[in-house]
Amino acid sequence: DSGVTQTPKHLITATGQRVTLRCSPRSGDLSVYWYQQSLDQGLQFLIQYYNGEERAKGNILERFSAQQFPDLHSELNLSSLELGDSALYFCASSPMSSYNSPLHFGNGTRLTVT
Amino acid sequence: AQKITQTQPGMFVQEKEAVTLDCTYDTSDPSYGLFWYKQPSSGEMIFLIYQGSYDQQNATEGRYSLNFQKARKSANLVISASQLGDSAMYFCAMRNKAAGNKLTFGGGTRVLVKP
Repeated sequence: DSGVTQTPKHLITATGQRVTLRCSPRSGDLSVYWYQQSLDQGLQFLIQYYNGEERAKGNILERFSAQQFPDLHSELNLSSLELGDSALYFCASSPMSSYNSPLHFGNGTRLTVT
Repeated sequence: AQKITQTQPGMFVQEKEAVTLDCTYDTSDPSYGLFWYKQPSSGEMIFLIYQGSYDQQNATEGRYSLNFQKARKSANLVISASQLGDSAMYFCAMRNKAAGNKLTFGGGTRVLVKP
């Protein structure tokens, strides 16, 4: 158990809808990262937060947004969903934003857009 | 820009034998960390082992060891005494300061352990 909690585990929704994915980092970890894993794109970095502030952005679509709250949990909002958004979405956390600190991943949220 | 390359899409290994998974990386940043993750068919991403760019010795964690060759920019994972539970996808990844410390993944290698 990595200590990172993601909910829900599975999500099935229709095109055009909006969903929210939730992540609770490991106790004491200030950095939260979101990744998307799809068959054709592999593991893609979406966005990083550190202690409530956005630190880095990756290949995140404008239809997607995220935030980290004062209690350090994070939410990833996906709107105007398309079939191609179907993927496994991971949240990960680390104590700090440093190159020598591993990221610990949650079990992921599997999103299916129909 | 940083890049991770895993050239073996898949491989078979006999139970109890050792297996080496290849990983090469590209970065001009002197400060970086290399990581290996395991993703079983159930989907979770499990951290296995870490090697820092300034570490003089190869990292080891139980049956996992990392063959770090800095000049060649390679960080191969060695799994000794393979078990059926080692069947999974394995990802090599890197963090470095120049890239904002985000974790960049290779394409992965699927390992299937045969009894």
